[in-house]
Amino acid sequence: ETGVTQSPTHLIKTRGQQVTLRCSSQSGHNTVSWYQQALGQGPQFIFQYYREEENGRGNFPPRFSGLQFPNYSSELNVNALELDDSALYLCASSSLTSGGGNEQFFGPGTRLTVL
Amino acid sequence: TQLLEQSPQFLSIQEGENLTVYCNSSSVFSSLQWYRQEPGEGPVLLVTVVTGGEVKKLKRLTFQFGDARKDSSLHITAAQPGDTGLYLCAGDRTDKLIFGTGTRLQVFP
Repeated sequence: ETGVTQSPTHLIKTRGQQVTLRCSSQSGHNTVSWYQQALGQGPQFIFQYYREEENGRGNFPPRFSGLQFPNYSSELNVNALELDDSALYLCASSSLTSGGGNEQFFGPGTRLTVL
Repeated sequence: TQLLEQSPQFLSIQEGENLTVYCNSSSVFSSLQWYRQEPGEGPVLLVTVVTGGEVKKLKRLTFQFGDARKDSSLHITAAQPGDTGLYLCAGDRTDKLIFGTGTRLQVFP
């Protein structure tokens, strides 16, 4: 069973640029969620994708956008980068089913630095 | 406004000591999860608690979900250096996880 993978592992950009981060979900999972984790803080929910459509969004501006592909992999795009966008971006996959416990499995993250 | 507050924020102890981490909220969650995260890695799921009052044990770790499903605790018995890491609680809120502020644990040999 393959776990969640993310690419790239590290990325350095300058203010105003655009970035695309990628995530491959765990085998058998149909849902991908993206989180932003600033240094020393807990992850903050950005949005979730299920069946190639956005299925819930946190308090992030529209310049944060995403995609999910038929194979359930996903992309996170951030336009007009700002210094405060520097963070660890985490992707988590899960399988939306009925019943309790939205268990999510995380990838290793992409460390984005904006200069 | 932080929905889930964890305490303490930092904990530095000697090997063999016991410790408890608390996760508190004024909101009700359908389930609550505990994760451990090491530097440069993503959070790893430790346990999910669903029922109010539920207690789950994972070797030296004991997790409890409050009766009202608003709070939880993690107790570690006889801590070991391998327990070092960032411990995060996360509440399930309509298909998204709300993470706590985190507790950074350092266990010295």
